[in-house]
Amino acid sequence: DIQMTQSPSSLSASVGDRVTITCRASQSIGNYLNWYQQKPGTAPKLLIYSTSSFQSGVPSRFSGSGFGTDFSLTISNLHPEDFATYYCQQSYSTLWTFGQGTKVEIK
Amino acid sequence: QITLKESGPTLVKPTQTLTLTCTFSGFSLNTRGVGVGWVRQPPGKALEWLGLIYWDDGHLDNPSLKSRLTISKGTSKNQVVLTMINLDPVDTATYYCAHRGTPSSYYFDYWGQGTLVIVSS
Repeated sequence: DIQMTQSPSSLSASVGDRVTITCRASQSIGNYLNWYQQKPGTAPKLLIYSTSSFQSGVPSRFSGSGFGTDFSLTISNLHPEDFATYYCQQSYSTLWTFGQGTKVEIK
Repeated sequence: QITLKESGPTLVKPTQTLTLTCTFSGFSLNTRGVGVGWVRQPPGKALEWLGLIYWDDGHLDNPSLKSRLTISKGTSKNQVVLTMINLDPVDTATYYCAHRGTPSSYYFDYWGQGTLVIVSS
């Protein structure tokens, strides 16, 4: 299995801050890396696919980068509605796997 | 407009079999490249990918569950069924079904609202 490790597990930030979440794969996954946002009691929502492509409707303050084993999701100018848990997910192998999540909380 | 909705029992006893149905609209599972997958999330924990069935009946399965899990097309053309045998309390989770849209999309772009399954005697 390809293990996905996110860091940090949680962070506190203020509205307007720039936040970066990293995701590391246990082996190279090319650009088969997706990011989801999940708010309490709701289903995950696709934000970014194939490392850096935006899902329709996702604000441009979200961006993704990386290749191989190291990836990042950056939220510039954090908005109140961005406080949520973020998951990375690899789809390089036939067993898709998620990271453990990063919770972005209000400072 | 693509929508998916999971349905099934909320409470299941240990060792019993779970059957969940994903009913969808806005797309056809007969279209090349389309797939419907399942993801679960134990309370307070991370997402776990369970499997995926494709338009051509091909499927991917999580090996850790493969002997207990079956994902199949339903009798209605707009349904996918998840069957899991020999349930254990650790299978308590919210179960989501999700849509994969094209031959080149390796992600879920639409999700159901999820259904909570509690395994308890």
